[in-house]
Amino acid sequence: GEDVEQSLFLSVREGDSSVINCTYTDSSSTYLYWYKQEPGAGLQLLTYIFSNMDMKQDQRLTVLLNKKDKHLSLRIADTQTGDSAIYFCAEMTGGADGLTFGKGTHLIIQP
Amino acid sequence: GAVVSQHPSRVICKSGTSVKIECRSLDFQATTMFWYRQFPKQSLMLMATSNEGSKATYEQGVEKDKFLINHASLTLSTLTVTSAHPEDSSFYICSEKGRGTEAFFGQGTRLTVV
Repeated sequence: GEDVEQSLFLSVREGDSSVINCTYTDSSSTYLYWYKQEPGAGLQLLTYIFSNMDMKQDQRLTVLLNKKDKHLSLRIADTQTGDSAIYFCAEMTGGADGLTFGKGTHLIIQP
Repeated sequence: GAVVSQHPSRVICKSGTSVKIECRSLDFQATTMFWYRQFPKQSLMLMATSNEGSKATYEQGVEKDKFLINHASLTLSTLTVTSAHPEDSSFYICSEKGRGTEAFFGQGTRLTVV
């Protein structure tokens, strides 16, 4: 079945760039998503990318998609303390039967 | 690793009937359960949070009498959509959290009310 993998933790210094990586196995993925979850809150959709794109930029966020390697990354420029959260990668397949999520990457910001 | 089993993955029901969605944690004890709802291309919206043995806490705007959540054990949580209507058609997904900080998601349920 489909599988989405992410590292569980990432620690960066404030002001540096954060790069959160994700790999997936389903080659029929149509949309790939990044969600942010702050403590005690629900999931917030940060951005998504169509599978026929290889890059999408939105202010401090840059999403890169390597479809050949089934690798997705989220880059956060100038990481701030407010970026501290859990980031989930998710994929939707062509049948749109549901989303498959990774387990989430805890982004830890060091002063 | 931990696995969350959610079923059914897809259900079609008639307007006015009730639908139950189950979420089971297969190899860990889920102390906290989250139920989300997602409309197409939109973010997941948190509906409610429940802790084992306690009543669920519903988010603002979510009708607790319509979306019944039962979290009777550490391995099973259910969401029942009562008297479903076409506007309830959506994608519902559960998330379970153990004693650590990770949250595990079910595969989701696509509900279509006709």
